[in-house]
Amino acid sequence: DAGVIQSPRHEVTEMGQEVTLRCKPISGHNSLFWYRQTMMRGLELLIYFNNNVPIDDSGMPEDRFSAKMPNASFSTLKIQPSEPRDSAVYFCAISFSLGNQPQHFGDGTRLSIL
Amino acid sequence: GENVEQHPSTLSVQEGDSAVIKCTYSDSASNYFPWYKQELGKRPQLIIDIRSNVGEKKDQRIAVTLNKTAKHFSLHITETQPEDSAVYFCAASPQGAQKLVFGQGTRLTINP
Repeated sequence: DAGVIQSPRHEVTEMGQEVTLRCKPISGHNSLFWYRQTMMRGLELLIYFNNNVPIDDSGMPEDRFSAKMPNASFSTLKIQPSEPRDSAVYFCAISFSLGNQPQHFGDGTRLSIL
Repeated sequence: GENVEQHPSTLSVQEGDSAVIKCTYSDSASNYFPWYKQELGKRPQLIIDIRSNVGEKKDQRIAVTLNKTAKHFSLHITETQPEDSAVYFCAASPQGAQKLVFGQGTRLTINP
């Protein structure tokens, strides 16, 4: 257990619907990362936060994607409207200090858009 | 930006033999190189990492080597066991940035 709780674990929805993925990290971390994993593109960083502030969102694919971190213990990744090509496993990861440090992943959300 | 290439994409070895996975990176300023193991349907888990001021690091059957001049680093697994079967990812982190750029992964299969 890396101390990162993601929900839901699985989500199946129809295209056009809004999807919200959630991440609850344990206390003590400084940074939070959102990744997307697909067979074709591998593990891609979407966005990361330092001390709840977005630092780099250059990996967010389109304006349909948005992420927030209202406090140190909660973050969301939202897709609106969703499309079939958004189907992937989405991981949240944390690290415990600034600078180059190990990242610890949650169990991920498997998202299927029909 | 940083680009990480990983080879081979698949690797099959006999139990007890050694396995080597290689990665190259493009940004000479990168200074942190972790390796992750991902079992089917599970999350990536950190198995070993190395920083640019070190040339080699070992942890039991796992070792990582780094050649900064050539900009490549490798994962070595000795005395492989069936539970080593998984997908392995290398990554590089540019200096001053926390982001990790991942390689495409290597599917390692250990044959009994």
